[in-house]
Parts: sequence; structure tokens; C-alpha cells
Amino acid sequence: DAEITQSPRHKITETGRQVTLACHQTWNHNNMFWYRQDLGHGLRLIHYSYGVQDTNKGEVSDGYSVSRSNTEDLPLTLESAASSQTSVYFCASSYLPGQGSYEQYFGPGTRLTVT
Amino acid sequence: DQQVKQNSPSLSVQEGRISILNCDYTNSMFDYFLWYKKYPAEGPTFLISISSIKDKNEDGRFTVFLNKSAKHLSLHIVPSQPGDSAVYFCAASALGNTPLVFGKGTRLSVIA
Repeated sequence: DAEITQSPRHKITETGRQVTLACHQTWNHNNMFWYRQDLGHGLRLIHYSYGVQDTNKGEVSDGYSVSRSNTEDLPLTLESAASSQTSVYFCASSYLPGQGSYEQYFGPGTRLTVT
Repeated sequence: DQQVKQNSPSLSVQEGRISILNCDYTNSMFDYFLWYKKYPAEGPTFLISISSIKDKNEDGRFTVFLNKSAKHLSLHIVPSQPGDSAVYFCAASALGNTPLVFGKGTRLSVIA
């Protein structure tokens, strides 16, 4: 069965460290997204990609970067982790319009703690 | 500026009764609306959607209503069950390949 996975599921890191969160999908979706979920803020878009070599900034992109070298993966990098980046991170993917429905399929999330 | 608003952070309903979750939006370009359900320690899962050409979409116990003139949609769950207890997110998309915009969510508690 097609799926979307995230690793690690839990991560504790120190302020100033570089951290990379992995996202892998086997749906063959062109679109991939990264969100963070914080109490009182819901789901906020960090970065997204519409295909290989395409990346775009979302609402809360400062301090984060992504790269898309293949269809299946969109790793999220925190260049220099800050305590404000303590959050739960969700990766999602979807079809292009016309290829399928609009809904995004979400991964199980990564809980990141920056100490 | 919040484009998708869920003004009720929480809602408590008795088992068997109707749950009504509300969502308002400000962007008139939105033409597709979705509801997601999220359990603790899991990713959100798609529940039901509606396009702007419809005013109602039904799937089992779940019905979504869209009032375009009021820029308002609602999710009705009838009858509510304890397993429906979760956080519900409303999301909207504009025409074309644009990212979904999510509301802050409403935590539904269904009491047995």
C-alpha cells in the first residue's frame, strides 16, 4: 500500500544544531508540504514543492529549508535550531489538480524538542 | 490575517446527539473546502470535502454544508460517537494548484 512516512518520530536537539527531518512518500504525488502544529496556531505551512527541483516558501519559512531531488522525498532542514522551533512537524503530499482529488495525505508527524 | 477561522476552540457533545463544527473564510477565491480529523500522536486524516459548485456533501454520518454568500461552512456529525472525539481542522484551497490554508482546529469531545 502507498504511504507517507516521517523519521525520526521523536527528536531532541540542542540550540544551534542543524537538524534534518525526513519525509518519504510512495504515492508518486507531485506535491509535497511541510507543516508545523503548535497549540493555538493549528497547522502552519513551512515550505512546499510542486515537483522535482521546485521549492516554495510558506507562511513560517524563516530558519527552515527544503530540497526536492526526487519525487518521493522532501527533507526539511533546520539550519540552526532554536527553542521557538520546538513543535510537531507534519509532512503531506497530494496529486496535482486534474490527476486526482485535492486532499493531502499526512505523515504521522515528528515531535522535535530544541533544548 | 487569518483566512480560515474556526472560532470555537472546543466543543462538547453527548453521544448520539448532533455535533456541529463551524468554519468561516475571508478569501473569495477559495473554491474547495475540506475537513480533516486528527487524533493525538497521529497525522491529520481527510474526512470530507465540498467544492464551491455544491452547497452540501454527505458521507455516512458526516455532512458538510457550504454557504458561499456568508463565506461559511459547517460539518455535521449525526449521531456523534465517542470515537469522533478528536481535533477537526477546516481547510480551503483556491483555484489551481495552491496550498491548503488551515484553520486552528476545534477539539470535539463526545461524552458517553
